[in-house]
Amino acid sequence: AQSVTQPDIHITVSEGASLELRCNYSYGATPYLFWYVQSPGQGLQLLLKYFSGDTLVQGIKGFEAEFKRSQSSFNLRKPSVHWSDAAEYFCVYMDSNYQLIWGAGTKLIIKP
Amino acid sequence: DGGITQSPKYLFRKEGQNVTLSCEQNLNHDAMYWYRQDPGQGLRLIYYSQIVNDFQKGDIAEGYSVSREKKESFPLTVTSAQKNPTAFYLCASSPGWGALTNYGYTFGSGTRLTVV
Repeated sequence: AQSVTQPDIHITVSEGASLELRCNYSYGATPYLFWYVQSPGQGLQLLLKYFSGDTLVQGIKGFEAEFKRSQSSFNLRKPSVHWSDAAEYFCVYMDSNYQLIWGAGTKLIIKP
Repeated sequence: DGGITQSPKYLFRKEGQNVTLSCEQNLNHDAMYWYRQDPGQGLRLIYYSQIVNDFQKGDIAEGYSVSREKKESFPLTVTSAQKNPTAFYLCASSPGWGALTNYGYTFGSGTRLTVV
């Protein structure tokens, strides 16, 4: 079965430091991949998406993600985090039936 | 502004009762979805609807029911048959089905249901 793995349940980063959130997927064809962010008690907001083409994708709020087929990864990065980035981040894969398969999420904690 | 409205934000239910969660969108989206979110897990699909008067079961439909009588509305009923209904419920929509879902989903702000 197709799956999305986010190996880090929590990550703590100092404000101003760089960030990388890991995501690995298992699939059989060219993936459609997304990163969503959820602030506490809120709905989800799309950060960025990858369908094809350039493997480095730019998103909102200064985030980017790199698709690496050889590693089956789609890691999310930000060069300098802000306290407002504290949230839960979800990596999502869209299967061939256009259904979304969700990772379990990574909670980002920002140290002042 | 266009968006999705879920109500209520918090809902308490006694065991054995049915409750209905509201989801309304003014985005003119054809497809709508209901997800359940539990701590430490990704979202799980309960039901989805590609078009008015049509809906399909998702991965965890047991104990839930939906209707899609209007394009804008996709209410979810949590029935007494749902054994563990305490969770955060998210409604979403997308412009359409198939390739149109590539444009991404728009999510509501959720309803937290607690069984007391």
